[in-house]
Amino acid sequence: QKEVEQDPGPLSVPEGAIVSLNCTYSNSAFQYFMWYRQYSRKGPELLMYTYSSGNKEDGRFTAQVDKSSKYISLFIRDSQPSDSATYLCAMKAGNNRLAFGKGNQVVVIP
Amino acid sequence: DAGITQSPRHKVTETGTPVTLRCHQTENHRYMYWYRQDPGHGLRLIHYSYGVKDTDKGEVSDGYSVSRSKTEDFLLTLESATSSQTSVYFCAISGAGENSPLHFGNGTRLTVT
Repeated sequence: QKEVEQDPGPLSVPEGAIVSLNCTYSNSAFQYFMWYRQYSRKGPELLMYTYSSGNKEDGRFTAQVDKSSKYISLFIRDSQPSDSATYLCAMKAGNNRLAFGKGNQVVVIP
Repeated sequence: DAGITQSPRHKVTETGTPVTLRCHQTENHRYMYWYRQDPGHGLRLIHYSYGVKDTDKGEVSDGYSVSRSKTEDFLLTLESATSSQTSVYFCAISGAGENSPLHFGNGTRLTVT
């Protein structure tokens, strides 16, 4: 079993819809959880960063962590064509190296 | 781009030739990383550095070497490039705290013919 599982998609949604992305993981030691957004031919850009279980909101973005289920989610409300990108989840335990999901491609159709 | 510059941005080289990719940061961060990104594999760690002259291997280090002689520069060398090393290479940096996230550069697209 891979440490981090992320459905690669692609996921196509109409503009204005809610986008829901998720990752599952196997290592219960993971403490820090991140979501990166990557546009075509660009590097991953840190989008959300959470430490504990629960929700964190930043504008149209909400990151959710459920440590008991080993499950993290990213929600994008009122999606825009500019949200079309690949979204990668990442997580780590202490000073250990980051474990990445393979990324989920999202297309928002105008 | 969190003060990270990768050079060159694109390179085409022939099998068997040496190649060096450069990462330069202006953030004075302690940790620097080299990843490669390939379809179906995602991001994979090649090597990382936790200080000047302090480096360690990642999960796909075979065929690669690194050097860090200054805090701001981290070099990745392919001693003898192979077609399997055709990829997009990303440099990343992070601070010293365990809760410091990684910030990435915009990558170098390397093609080995």
